[in-house]
Amino acid sequence: GDSVTQMEGPVTLSEEAFLTINCTYTATGYPSLFWYVQYPGEGLQLLLKATKADDKGSNKGFEATYRKETTSFHLEKGSVQVSDSAVYFCALSDQGGGNKLTFGTGTQLKVEL
Amino acid sequence: SQTIHQWPATLVQPVGSPLSLECTVEGTSNPNLYWYRQAAGRGLQLLFYSVGIGQISSEVPQNLSASRPQDRQFILSSKKLLLSDSGFYLCAWCRTSGNEQFFGPGTRLTVL
Repeated sequence: GDSVTQMEGPVTLSEEAFLTINCTYTATGYPSLFWYVQYPGEGLQLLLKATKADDKGSNKGFEATYRKETTSFHLEKGSVQVSDSAVYFCALSDQGGGNKLTFGTGTQLKVEL
Repeated sequence: SQTIHQWPATLVQPVGSPLSLECTVEGTSNPNLYWYRQAAGRGLQLLFYSVGIGQISSEVPQNLSASRPQDRQFILSSKKLLLSDSGFYLCAWCRTSGNEQFFGPGTRLTVL
């Protein structure tokens, strides 16, 4: 079945550092890929998405490129802020009925001054 | 615009008591609806999803059940809670024609 693997956290960075959170996937067909963010005590918010190979999703300074050849969708940001501290989830869409999503286990990011 | 509501926001229940969590969506029709559970420090586990009124698909065997009595209402229930039912419960919706899911604020359930 489909699966998503994310790098283990927590990740601790200083403000203005470069961020990479790795995500690889296993899926049949051509899923859409997503990054969601969860701030403490809240639900998930969609951060960005890509629907086909070589698409780049971007939002709020975050970017991720759909790499079919390496089955990856790594999240990057050039300069993180304290307000970026949250848990980040990579996910892919199910190609079957119900539009289900398969999530990675999440990566906690902590940004310090 | 569309909004999704969940209540209650927090709940503390004794073992063996019943449970009812409610989720409603506004501003859209015939959405797909989903219940997830997030245990402490872990990822999201899909519990149930529904593609229409009265249509419920269960993803994992468990102590919980779901119902969809109205188009935009999704209810998560249990007759007798277990300690292992503690967690953060998230409801989400998706357009029938899309695959992007929108999440509610969640319900923090503690079973003592």
